[in-house]
Amino acid sequence: GAVVSQHPSWVICKSGTSVKIECRSLDFQATTMFWYRQFPKQSLMLMATSNEGSKATYEQGVEKDKFLINHASLTLSTLTVTSAHPEDSSFYICSASRVGVSVTGELFFGEGSRLTVL
Amino acid sequence: DQQVKQNSPSLSVQEGRISILNCDYTNSMFDYFLWYKKYPAEGPTFLISISSIKDKNEDGRFTVFLNKSAKHLSLHIVPSQPGDSAVYFCAARIQGAQKLVFGQGTRLTINP
Repeated sequence: GAVVSQHPSWVICKSGTSVKIECRSLDFQATTMFWYRQFPKQSLMLMATSNEGSKATYEQGVEKDKFLINHASLTLSTLTVTSAHPEDSSFYICSASRVGVSVTGELFFGEGSRLTVL
Repeated sequence: DQQVKQNSPSLSVQEGRISILNCDYTNSMFDYFLWYKKYPAEGPTFLISISSIKDKNEDGRFTVFLNKSAKHLSLHIVPSQPGDSAVYFCAARIQGAQKLVFGQGTRLTINP
């Protein structure tokens, strides 16, 4: 199956600093990647859709200046949490849609990145 | 506005028995429904999907049933195994889009 990898898998940072999370599709090209956020015991909430070579599309209520998304290539998307605060602490998961496939709607997910802001 | 709902936060089933996980939705524009399995601190892994034009899809121990008139789908796992213990998410895709909308998840525990 297709492999999506995230890095780092966990990160602890001080309040006010910025944190970058990488999402890579290792064995396929992904024109579109999605960033989700999960709070404990809750659902995966879509934050934004990242399109290669263009601006990300953010869901309602998600601050685009707070969560910067860059999709510079067909295999890499990055999420930068700027000026992180404790309320940004969460589990961030990326997923990718495989070019030409995913007829059944399947997305491939990364392992997730747990962010803890002190 | 929760378009995909999993009303049971948890389910406990004895090993060897059938596990039935339920999901309801409100948006008639969903064209695919999917089930994902998730372990703590890991990303979801795809299990099985069903097109909105079908009413059943089977893959090994996993079968998904879709009742469009009731806007309801269910995942059957039989026989249930201890390794099936995880959180199961129901997800739906809006026709013409790629993004998925997820339910709240159901934690399945298989007891030996």
